[in-house]
Amino acid sequence: KQEVTQIPAALSVPEGENLVLNCSFTDSAIYNLQWFRQDPGKGLTSLLLIQSSQREQTSGRLNASLDKSSGRSTLYIAASQPGDSATYLCAVPDSNYQLIWGAGTKLIIKP
Amino acid sequence: SQTIHQWPATLVQPVGSPLSLECTVEGTSNPNLYWYRQAAGRGLQLLFYSVGIGQISSEVPQNLSASRPQDRQFILSSKKLLLSDSGFYLCAWSPLGVSTDTQYFGPGTRLTVL
Repeated sequence: KQEVTQIPAALSVPEGENLVLNCSFTDSAIYNLQWFRQDPGKGLTSLLLIQSSQREQTSGRLNASLDKSSGRSTLYIAASQPGDSATYLCAVPDSNYQLIWGAGTKLIIKP
Repeated sequence: SQTIHQWPATLVQPVGSPLSLECTVEGTSNPNLYWYRQAAGRGLQLLFYSVGIGQISSEVPQNLSASRPQDRQFILSSKKLLLSDSGFYLCAWSPLGVSTDTQYFGPGTRLTVL
């Protein structure tokens, strides 16, 4: 059974720093991996989707990498800003195409 | 463009009362529809998903039920709420049959059962 883990659970850094969020999964036979952002009390917004055949995806200051063999993905945020403060979740679909979710990393960027 | 709506945004209900949360999607046809619950500090738990009108799959046994009376309408219900039903409920949709696409989420409903 697929399990998704995100470390750390929370992270607080000063504005301007580059940072890395981690996501690991137990079953490497995935179709894709997705990163989402959730602001407090809000729904989720898709940030990046990496297909199983891809190694990374980039969107602006965000870069997500995927290493299927080791069961890991990282979300790299460059030059962090206070507006990046949110909870970041990763998810992978199971064999029935239902998403299996990590518990998220709560990120706080201090001005 | 596609949009997804949920209401109400917040709800406070007494234990034992009924529940009805509604989700509607605009701008697409035949979407897959999902209901999730998110407890504080935890990941999303899939409650129900639907691939078509009247077709509902339940992921976990619970005090809740779901219905899809129309193509783009998904309703989450309960006859008698429990304290443990409190949480943040999210509705989502994805294109039918596209296993590698993302899911698009509504704004959520915060339910507090007292």
